[in-house]
Amino acid sequence: AQKITQTQPGMFVQEKEAVTLDCTYDTSDQSYGLFWYKQPSSGEMIFLIYQGSYDEQNATEGRYSLNFQKARKSANLVISASQLGDSAMYFCAMTSTGGSYIPTFGRGTSLIVHP
Amino acid sequence: DAMVIQNPRYQVTQFGKPVTLSCSQTLNHNVMYWYQQKSSQAPKLLFHYYDKDFNNEADTPDNFQSRRPNTSFCFLDIRSPGLGDAAMYLCATSRADGGRDTEAFFGQGTRLTVV
Repeated sequence: AQKITQTQPGMFVQEKEAVTLDCTYDTSDQSYGLFWYKQPSSGEMIFLIYQGSYDEQNATEGRYSLNFQKARKSANLVISASQLGDSAMYFCAMTSTGGSYIPTFGRGTSLIVHP
Repeated sequence: DAMVIQNPRYQVTQFGKPVTLSCSQTLNHNVMYWYQQKSSQAPKLLFHYYDKDFNNEADTPDNFQSRRPNTSFCFLDIRSPGLGDAAMYLCATSRADGGRDTEAFFGQGTRLTVV
């Protein structure tokens, strides 16, 4: 079984500062993928970034980077230079061979960016 | 450019009156999912199709049914909606080829209100 844990129900950050959203995972599979999605109040899920279990480098997508620590089973999302439009729910998700590639989601973190 | 389309965006139904939500995709993905998401919670998988193979989650109520007449379309039927079924319903698609290809592509969601 695979499990995603997000321990921060809510986070606050000042505009233009960086923020880290935590995600830990549990799986017995060697091959898996980790995803971060953003969900604004409109409800749609927006893909942000992907990290494969065999990727040696941390993934980056513009202002988003993923701090992947495989031994600790953590995949934290770092948002640099926060913008007001970053205020949203953020979900960490995993797919794996043992889970038939069905995405499993964490409980999410609500991020509020202050001006 | 829309790839996963859900209709309608907002649905109001009466208690006990059957309702159908629809989802279509232009990605030709073999996997389609239905998630239920209640306020400030993680998306909860209801069922998924791998091609025509239907997979029901063990805790999905019998009140919820699904149809996938072809690769492009998938429907969620709620036979007798209760007040507890009010939620956002998210349709998603993916390929099950492993790695980055397991990214789930989401529709905009249907927000269901039961009165």
